[in-house]
Amino acid sequence: EAGVAQSPRYKIIEKRQSVAFWCNPISGHATLYWYQQILGQGPKLLIQFQNNGVVDDSQLPKDRFSAERLKGVDSTLKIQPAKLEDSAVYLCASSLVPRAHNEQFFGPGTRLTVL
Amino acid sequence: AQTVTQSQPEMSVQEAETVTLSCTYDTSESDYYLFWYKQPPSRQMILVIRQEAYKQQNATENRFSVNFQKAAKSFSLKISDSQLGDAAMYFCAYRSPSFGNEKLTFGTGTRLTIIP
Repeated sequence: EAGVAQSPRYKIIEKRQSVAFWCNPISGHATLYWYQQILGQGPKLLIQFQNNGVVDDSQLPKDRFSAERLKGVDSTLKIQPAKLEDSAVYLCASSLVPRAHNEQFFGPGTRLTVL
Repeated sequence: AQTVTQSQPEMSVQEAETVTLSCTYDTSESDYYLFWYKQPPSRQMILVIRQEAYKQQNATENRFSVNFQKAAKSFSLKISDSQLGDAAMYFCAYRSPSFGNEKLTFGTGTRLTIIP
């Protein structure tokens, strides 16, 4: 079974530029999560989708971050414009259904460096 | 809001020995789930073990076991017969059972080094 796919693996941009990350969850997984992991910290949830609807985006900086999940499958996370403090690893995860006991499967992440 | 605290930024252990990683959490909920995740340099988070709060029995997975103390809000991970492949960052995480609040709340992690 293929895992969660993310691209690109690395991205370096200048501040105020735009960037987009892509995630393809495990086939059949209805729930998709985007986490931000700043160096030296644990991951923090940015947004949770259930199919193509947003369940929780309370910690998403909506003035610069946006995310969508087309047709309830792939998802894109965008930052526009980027700030220095956005340098982090962006992790995508998926689970079969949004139940607390269900395992979240993580992708390899995208490491973003903002100069 | 729930919080998770890992007070050991780094730990080291000799190969084949046993090591215990500490985790405490704060919550007002009575039912919840706790997890230990491993993050190697490849960055991919891998589930090591999970514990349901309503279960009194401590979870075990091969060489990995937990000591879950609900009253003390403590959830430590014991790794027996440590192997070189166990070297990684280990994160403790909390998950609420409430619908719409299934996000994982992570601690700051413990970097585990295995000494050959």
